[in-house]
Amino acid sequence: DVKVTQSSRYLVKRTGEKVFLECVQDMDHENMFWYRQDPGLGLRLIYFSYDVKMKEKGDIPEGYSVSREKKERFSLILESASTNQTSMYLCASSQTGTEETQYFGPGTRLLVL
Amino acid sequence: GENVEQHPSTLSVQEGDSAVIKCTYSDSASNYFPWYKQELGKRPQLIIDIRSNVGEKKDQRIAVTLNKTAKHFSLHITETQPEDSAVYFCAASSNNDMRFGAGTRLTVKP
Repeated sequence: DVKVTQSSRYLVKRTGEKVFLECVQDMDHENMFWYRQDPGLGLRLIYFSYDVKMKEKGDIPEGYSVSREKKERFSLILESASTNQTSMYLCASSQTGTEETQYFGPGTRLLVL
Repeated sequence: GENVEQHPSTLSVQEGDSAVIKCTYSDSASNYFPWYKQELGKRPQLIIDIRSNVGEKKDQRIAVTLNKTAKHFSLHITETQPEDSAVYFCAASSNNDMRFGAGTRLTVKP
């Protein structure tokens, strides 16, 4: 079974704080993704990575950065948290090739006050 | 880039009835179409998927159809049960670049 874990289920931060969200997968997947999930908007892609030290912007990268120093770990960074970044953040991973299925972590619900 | 639209946003059915959720996509290069089910407070989980070389796929009470010409695909759930209540997401993918629909909240009334 693919296992994708996220460092926190719930986080409360203050405006202006730097926030780190960690994601780890144990299936040696090349691809990792960060999404935010908001009611009525579905899953929106923030950043993704197809390899170690590689990153690509998704549809809504503003206000976020990422780090992929190791294959199994993909970190999402909010440089200076704002209230409009209050959301559910989901990490996913997938294998390169014909198997494109993405496997999701449990999510981190972030509240920025 | 790819744009996926999903309808309806909410769907309520009686237990035992069928439910149909429809999605359209814009990128003709998309060749992989998964459906995810997300129960309250849980992660999205893959329930069925279809590739562009297949028109229909069935797994017990769940089926998916794909019309590549019209760029739309649908999820069909027959004999719905209360445990089918969840949010369902469609997605379209090309070379691991996946985009999701906005989701459909399905409620199955006992």
